[in-house]
Amino acid sequence: DQQVKQNSPSLSVQEGRISILNCDYTNSMFDYFLWYKKYPAEGPTFLISISSIKDKNEDGRFTVFLNKSAKHLSLHIVPSQPGDSAVYFCAASGLGRGSQGNLIFGKGTKLSVKP
Amino acid sequence: KAGVTQTPRYLIKTRGQQVTLSCSPISGHRSVSWYQQTPGQGLQFLFEYFSETQRNKGNFPGRFSGRQFSNSRSEMNVSTLELGDSALYLCASSLTSRSNTGELFFGEGSRLTVL
Repeated sequence: DQQVKQNSPSLSVQEGRISILNCDYTNSMFDYFLWYKKYPAEGPTFLISISSIKDKNEDGRFTVFLNKSAKHLSLHIVPSQPGDSAVYFCAASGLGRGSQGNLIFGKGTKLSVKP
Repeated sequence: KAGVTQTPRYLIKTRGQQVTLSCSPISGHRSVSWYQQTPGQGLQFLFEYFSETQRNKGNFPGRFSGRQFSNSRSEMNVSTLELGDSALYLCASSLTSRSNTGELFFGEGSRLTVL
């Protein structure tokens, strides 16, 4: 039973346009959500996070929106650049700060930004 | 400062053998987590260690084990290898302060192929 779902395996966007990556979760006890980016042959790198007490967090071109009632979060990248082409993983944590090593990951969405 | 270091980067084993993977966390990080990444399942949590103690364990068989040393370095072992164990094994370290947001710092992974 997947607790964190990324239903789109891939997404293709034109350079300069907005990329929207979606993520759904089932466990209402999750209290922290994170997005990671992964290039081939590299480990995932942290991108942006959001606490469940917020509904939006922004960092440069990246914004994460959280809709708790719908158990849905999304990552917006504006404007998209070719260097953003990577696999994006949504992750959730709900075991408290003492167990922050246990993140539940989605299966990832491969973003392709075309010049 | 140096990132998370995993060795070996690539290895090939045959069914029935065992394998040991090593991970050196970022200096000062005391929590080390291990994840398995496969194309069909995404990143799945194996276990987390803190101060030489296993804090959390994922849903993997007992063939998968790990340990952490006093210098925070960690090893994971897989015994009686099966073809399905072929995957990228990722190690991640994190701070354990109360201000930490759950961000994990990943290594580049150890790519295991079981023949």
